[in-house]
Amino acid sequence: SQTIHQWPATLVQPVGSPLSLECTVEGTSNPNLYWYRQAAGRGLQLLFYSVGIGQISSEVPQNLSASRPQDRQFILSSKKLLLSDSGFYLCAWSKGLENTEAFFGQGTRLTVV
Amino acid sequence: GENVEQHPSTLSVQEGDSAVIKCTYSDSASNYFPWYKQELGKRPQLIIDIRSNVGEKKDQRIAVTLNKTAKHFSLHITETQPEDSAVYFCAAPNDYKLSFGAGTTVTVRA
Repeated sequence: SQTIHQWPATLVQPVGSPLSLECTVEGTSNPNLYWYRQAAGRGLQLLFYSVGIGQISSEVPQNLSASRPQDRQFILSSKKLLLSDSGFYLCAWSKGLENTEAFFGQGTRLTVV
Repeated sequence: GENVEQHPSTLSVQEGDSAVIKCTYSDSASNYFPWYKQELGKRPQLIIDIRSNVGEKKDQRIAVTLNKTAKHFSLHITETQPEDSAVYFCAAPNDYKLSFGAGTTVTVRA
């Protein structure tokens, strides 16, 4: 069966510090991968998605970047965090080449102080 | 690209009553319409979905209807229970890009 791992679960970082959130998927190959941000009480904002290794599509201009160094690994990064980067970050995957169910990781609650 | 609009943003219902949430989408090529439920502090999870070749799908107390001509789809929850209280999201993936509605916070009053 397929599983998705996302870590850490919570993170408190000072303004100006770097960020690296990692997500890995097991039990499938060539998944579509996604990073979302959810501000408190708000919807799911799509930040990045990837349909293959090295292929990253950015949805909104921002202080963040994403990379996919391996087929089942998706990393969200920032060189210098802003207060406005605080939120609940969710990684998700879906089957490649299909529009079908997305499976979410447990999420990372990031607080920038 | 796809634009998904969801209404209402909040919904309060008496236990046992029905709840209906509506979404509209913009891209007529979209062919898959899922609904997700997110409990407080948890990850969103799929509760029901429908493909464009079907007009309605039901699973116990929840159902989804799709009107492709009007480009809207709805979630129906009947006989609501306290555990139905959550945030519900619709989505309309297109070209593997998964875009969500803004969410509806449903509160079931005992």
